[in-house]
Amino acid sequence: DAGITQSPRHKVTETGTPVTLRCHQTENHRYMYWYRQDPGHGLRLIHYSYGVKDTDKGEVSDGYSVSRSKTEDFLLTLESATSSQTSVYFCAISESGTSEYNEQFFGPGTRLTVL
Amino acid sequence: DAKTTQPNSMESNEEEPVHLPCNHSTISGTDYIHWYRQLPSQGPEYVIHGLTSNVNNRMASLAIAEDRKSSTLILHRATLRDAAVYYCILRGFSNFGNEKLTFGTGTRLTIIP
Repeated sequence: DAGITQSPRHKVTETGTPVTLRCHQTENHRYMYWYRQDPGHGLRLIHYSYGVKDTDKGEVSDGYSVSRSKTEDFLLTLESATSSQTSVYFCAISESGTSEYNEQFFGPGTRLTVL
Repeated sequence: DAKTTQPNSMESNEEEPVHLPCNHSTISGTDYIHWYRQLPSQGPEYVIHGLTSNVNNRMASLAIAEDRKSSTLILHRATLRDAAVYYCILRGFSNFGNEKLTFGTGTRLTIIP
C-alpha cells in the first residue's frame, strides 16, 4: 500500500470554527489532491498540488484553502466551517507526469461533521 | 470533461464473471479509459486502464469497443471481496500530470453468495 496517512480520521466541529486536515505521504510523489465525497455526488476534486507551493483549484474549491510547504504534506483548511462541508475527505497522490501512468493512490479518508 | 454513463447498480453471483459497462460517446482520441473501485469505508483504488486495445491485469480485464464509445470491465470470477462501487473515468493526455480525475457516481456491485 502507498504510504498515505490522513489526520485526523474523524472530527466533529461547530459552525464557524476553522479546521485543518492533514495529508502526509512517504512516497515522495509530486502530485497531491484533496477530494470530498458526498452521497449522490461521487468524489469531487477540491484542490490539488503539482509541486511544493504549487496548487490549483478543483471543481468545488469555494470555502477551502490549501498549502504545501514540503513534498510530503498537503493541508486542507476550512477557514470557517459550515454544515455543507460535512463530508468524507480523501487525499490522493500520484507520481507521474503522463496520463497513462498517472495512477492515483488514495488515503483512508477523514470524516468531518460540522454541527 | 468528457462524460461517462454507468448503471447505478448491478448484482452478480459469487464465482461467476461480471461485466460492468460504461458508455463514453464523447470520448476524444487522446482520452484514456481508467477504472477505479471503492470498497466499503475505504478510498478508491486503481483497477485498470486502456486506450484502444483490450487490457488484462491480475485484477480484471478491460474490453474497449472498436469505436471507443464504450468499454466493459470484466471480473472473471467474482468474489465477495469484489463488492464495491466501480468508477469509469476518462483521462486526457497531459505532460504535466495535473489532469484531474472526474468521478461520477459509479456502479455499485453487489455479490450474492
